[in-house]
Amino acid sequence: ELKVEQNPLFLSMQEGKNYTIYCNYSTTSDRLYWYRQDPGKSLESLFVLLSNGAVKQEGRLMASLDTKARLSTLHITAAVHDLSATYFCAGTTVYNFNKFYFGSGTKLNVKP
Amino acid sequence: EAQVTQNPRYLITVTGKKLTVTCSQNMNHEYMSWYRQDPGLGLRQIYYSMNVEVTDKGDVPEGYKVSRKEKRNFPLILESPSPNQTSLYFCATGRNSGGPSYEQYFGPGTRLTVT
Repeated sequence: ELKVEQNPLFLSMQEGKNYTIYCNYSTTSDRLYWYRQDPGKSLESLFVLLSNGAVKQEGRLMASLDTKARLSTLHITAAVHDLSATYFCAGTTVYNFNKFYFGSGTKLNVKP
Repeated sequence: EAQVTQNPRYLITVTGKKLTVTCSQNMNHEYMSWYRQDPGLGLRQIYYSMNVEVTDKGDVPEGYKVSRKEKRNFPLILESPSPNQTSLYFCATGRNSGGPSYEQYFGPGTRLTVT
């Protein structure tokens, strides 16, 4: 089993500011995924991180993976209102890459 | 258009009345999975399938059944629903994203209420 903890669970920030969402996990994993969910909607895949040191960027979002620290981060640069959503990280273990474990989600509110 | 469809989208039912939620995909993905989403708990995996006739339990399989007779379909069956299965259910399919890993594509969700 993989325990996945996200923090913060709620994040209210001003437009233009930077912030980081943290995703810690409990056991050996080298695959970490980030998803976005808009209110009342389904989930959308943002990033797939497949190895230690992996870094991916899309627009104002950048995700990284440190398998030694068992930590992934989602960094938001110069936030805009459109980024308001709930962000989930999920992982699989090295023993079974078919079985996904999700964090509780971080609800981000970017105030104009 | 690539898509994952679920039916029904909303369902209110009574305890003990068998129901099936269907999931269909047109992306030819081998991997399919079912999740339930409850407030404060994120998503929890119920069952997954690596290919036709190959299924396995996720983290919370109790009270659910699945089958994978065709590649495109992965129905979720609740033989005797109970109120604690009231939840938002998502089906997802997985595209191999390099090595043993999947980028998942989620269906629109099915909101189930069991009274």
